[in-house]
Amino acid sequence: NAGVTQTPKFRILKIGQSMTLQCAQDMNHNYMYWYRQDPGMGLKLIYYSVGAGITDKGEVPNGYNVSRSTTEDFPLRLELAAPSQTSVYFCASSYGQNQNIQYFGAGTRLSVL
Amino acid sequence: AQKVTQAQTEISVVEKEDVTLDCVYETRDTTYYLFWYKQPPSGELVFLIRRNSFDEQNEISGRYSWNFQKSTSSFNFTITASQVVDSAVYFCALSEYKDTGRRALTFGSGTRLQVQP
Repeated sequence: NAGVTQTPKFRILKIGQSMTLQCAQDMNHNYMYWYRQDPGMGLKLIYYSVGAGITDKGEVPNGYNVSRSTTEDFPLRLELAAPSQTSVYFCASSYGQNQNIQYFGAGTRLSVL
Repeated sequence: AQKVTQAQTEISVVEKEDVTLDCVYETRDTTYYLFWYKQPPSGELVFLIRRNSFDEQNEISGRYSWNFQKSTSSFNFTITASQVVDSAVYFCALSEYKDTGRRALTFGSGTRLQVQP
């Protein structure tokens, strides 16, 4: 019962480096989301997708990019990492529509030094 | 804009005590969903409950119960006879319902519950 799988679990980046956070779900959900969680805070939406080929910005999209070429995968790209991007990143998926119970991955803890 | 407020940053109780976690929300939508998620020390987010804006019935699931009151825009969560395994951060969240298809969750800042043995 995999659900939502995120890789890697931990990563340390140097300022200016780039990386891709991977997210895959096996529940055939059409909606997928990327959130970030800063210490002591709730989650904030970075990007979301309502289906393959369709993505849109959330609340805090600056410094990130996404793509959705398949239903299963929704990678998050960080270009030119900055210390402000130090956070825990969560990927989630849902069936969408009115139900919108979002199922979360285990998170990726990223430090930018 | 939507907003979820969890005024209690941290609560500490002794095992077997009852504890209530408060959640107050703001939204202009007439249709919306409210959620509670649990984040144990391991870090993952676990779905606990969803409630839609048309259903104000209270819900009980084992030691957990939820009280939804539209009149006060509150969706409070009570744990009866708390246990050490209940120690976690609990998040209240509000789902928007936009014609664009966006269904993102607006999270509160969370309440850290510590249950002492």
